[in-house]
Amino acid sequence: SSELTQDPAVSVALGQTVRITCQGDSLRSIYAGWYQQKPGQAPVLVIYGENNRPSGIPDRFSGSSSGNTASLTITGAQAEDEADYYCNSRDSWDNHFYVFGTGTKVTVL
Amino acid sequence: EVQLVESGGGLVQPGGSLRLSCAASGFTVSTKYMTWVRQAPGKGLEWVAITYTGGSPYYADSVKGRFTISRDNSRNTVYLQMNSLRAEDTAVYYCARGDYDSSGWGCYFFDYWGQGTLVTVSS
Repeated sequence: SSELTQDPAVSVALGQTVRITCQGDSLRSIYAGWYQQKPGQAPVLVIYGENNRPSGIPDRFSGSSSGNTASLTITGAQAEDEADYYCNSRDSWDNHFYVFGTGTKVTVL
Repeated sequence: EVQLVESGGGLVQPGGSLRLSCAASGFTVSTKYMTWVRQAPGKGLEWVAITYTGGSPYYADSVKGRFTISRDNSRNTVYLQMNSLRAEDTAVYYCARGDYDSSGWGCYFFDYWGQGTLVTVSS
């Protein structure tokens, strides 16, 4: 099955920009979804497709993709953006399987 | 408003069984694909199973042959029957609704999640 690899942790100063990446073979042919998860809470979808935000997600969240890498960018990070972030896509080996990334802990300093 | 409410978690001995329920409101489960995702304590998200609107269900290798996903359209509810439970199945289990964006390369994503239900497998 496919794997999606993320950096374990990144930090960003308040108001600055941070990019979180997700690498995997499946991302050469399909976009990733991105989820934010705060402690003790369920994941929340923040980006899907080429660069789509669900209703209620601030426009400081954006997505992009190149080659086998999907990226989630937070422009002007806020304290409330401190959370774990996961990417996800359909498995490139078997279209009926799904895979999540390893997760990135974002700390806002 | 779309809502998903899981129930049925609890403490079970190794080898035992549990059935999780996911009651949906604000949409009809028969029109969407529905999935279960779990998260072991302190770990990341792991996809478990999916049921499509008209096709066969699919399972992660780690649960294939032990777990069964199903839906009751009359109750607007999705279930996860878990048999032969192991310690490594201990996790919070989330129900989520799936959707597909066809633009560009396409994207399968999970747009609404329940609050989760904790399953603990221990003697």
